[in-house]
Amino acid sequence: RKEVEQDPGPFNVPEGATVAFNCTYSNSASQSFFWYRQDCRKEPKLLMSVYSSGNEDGRFTAQLNRASQYISLLIRDSKLSDSATYLCVVNGNSGNTPLVFGKGTRLSVIA
Amino acid sequence: EAGVTQFPSHSVIEKGQTVTLRCDPISGHDNLYWYRRVMGKEIKFLLHFVKESKQDESGMPNNRFLAERTGGTYSTLKVQPAELEDSGVYFCASSNLIGTGAPQETQYFGPGTRLLVL
Repeated sequence: RKEVEQDPGPFNVPEGATVAFNCTYSNSASQSFFWYRQDCRKEPKLLMSVYSSGNEDGRFTAQLNRASQYISLLIRDSKLSDSATYLCVVNGNSGNTPLVFGKGTRLSVIA
Repeated sequence: EAGVTQFPSHSVIEKGQTVTLRCDPISGHDNLYWYRRVMGKEIKFLLHFVKESKQDESGMPNNRFLAERTGGTYSTLKVQPAELEDSGVYFCASSNLIGTGAPQETQYFGPGTRLLVL
């Protein structure tokens, strides 16, 4: 079983649509959770951290369910510029540990 | 403030040759990580430096890979001799060093080095 599993997609959605990505992780000791965004042939960039209480940043909402070891990302009112690969990322039990990545979910927002 | 930089951006070499990748972290970042993405797979951890010391090298695939961070500033990753399966994108990331139990510091990634071994 992979440490972080994501639906690879692609998700092809029209502008303005709402799209949700899901992710599960296997290491119950994981303490920090993130969504990174990676554009084609670019480096991963932090989109947002994910907190147990859920958190929102503009059109983006992230949720964490520790009991189910499940993370989600909701994007509302999709823009063309949201087209990218979204990486679900977790890390271990201290702040200086390496990141563990999912393979990513590809999103294409179509005009 | 300059971000993480990596050199070269691309490298094409033949099997059996040697390649050295370089990473310059964000100034002041004591944590430096190397990751790799091979085609069709997820990004995977290779090793972690804290300043000049190797904190964790559990992700290094074999002894053909040698990483150094002399002086605790930039790091190099040498592959010798290179094999076909070493092809991929090698990312470097850096972050501030924080105390045990503190929340994760953001890791900032460099643009990567695309390595192709023929």
